[in-house]
Amino acid sequence: DTGVSQNPRHKITKRGQNVTFRCDPISEHNRLYWYRQTLGQGPEFLTYFQNEAQLEKSRLLSDRFSAERPKGSFSTLEIQRTEQGDSAMYLCASSWNSGGRDTQYFGPGTRLTVL
Amino acid sequence: AQKITQTQPGMFVQEKEAVTLDCTYDTSDQSYGLFWYKQPSSGEMIFLIYQGSYDEQNATEGRYSLNFQKARKSANLVISASQLGDSAMYFCAMSLLTGANSKLTFGKGITLSVRP
Repeated sequence: DTGVSQNPRHKITKRGQNVTFRCDPISEHNRLYWYRQTLGQGPEFLTYFQNEAQLEKSRLLSDRFSAERPKGSFSTLEIQRTEQGDSAMYLCASSWNSGGRDTQYFGPGTRLTVL
Repeated sequence: AQKITQTQPGMFVQEKEAVTLDCTYDTSDQSYGLFWYKQPSSGEMIFLIYQGSYDEQNATEGRYSLNFQKARKSANLVISASQLGDSAMYFCAMSLLTGANSKLTFGKGITLSVRP
């Protein structure tokens, strides 16, 4: 078990460009979460999947953001028409949830810089 | 809505000594879980310890223990025998145990520096 992985680790882009991040969860985990962390703050919830179904999206997730988890395996987070305010660390976490306690294990994150 | 408050400024501790990191929380739900994560400068959030709201005993994991005071809504992390590698940001978080979404609500974190 190699843990949660995320790619790329760093992404620098120009305002207005589209970017896509990938998250590979721990293989037997059925839940996958995306969070965003800005400097000096704790992570904030963006969205989560139970298997392949996206069950909740935060109001932070504007219509420029879209996430998928095809076949309940890896997940992608796409940001269209990036803005400078999108600069942040994007964290992915996975867990096995059968009701009750849900311990989430995080990946190393993707740090996005929008110029 | 849930809220986590971490108000300590940067904390300093001498190597091999114990340190307590404070966390208070607010929720109207009765069934919830409290978590502590460590975030080194590399950025990865590392799970340290968990306490359920119905757990009668304080959680312990190696050098980490959680001082859970339900009536005061506090869940302080105690690190014993500090090591240089403990220098990092520490985040307290909570999630509800009822309902479908177990999203974590985090505090702003505390910076811990361990002095040799």
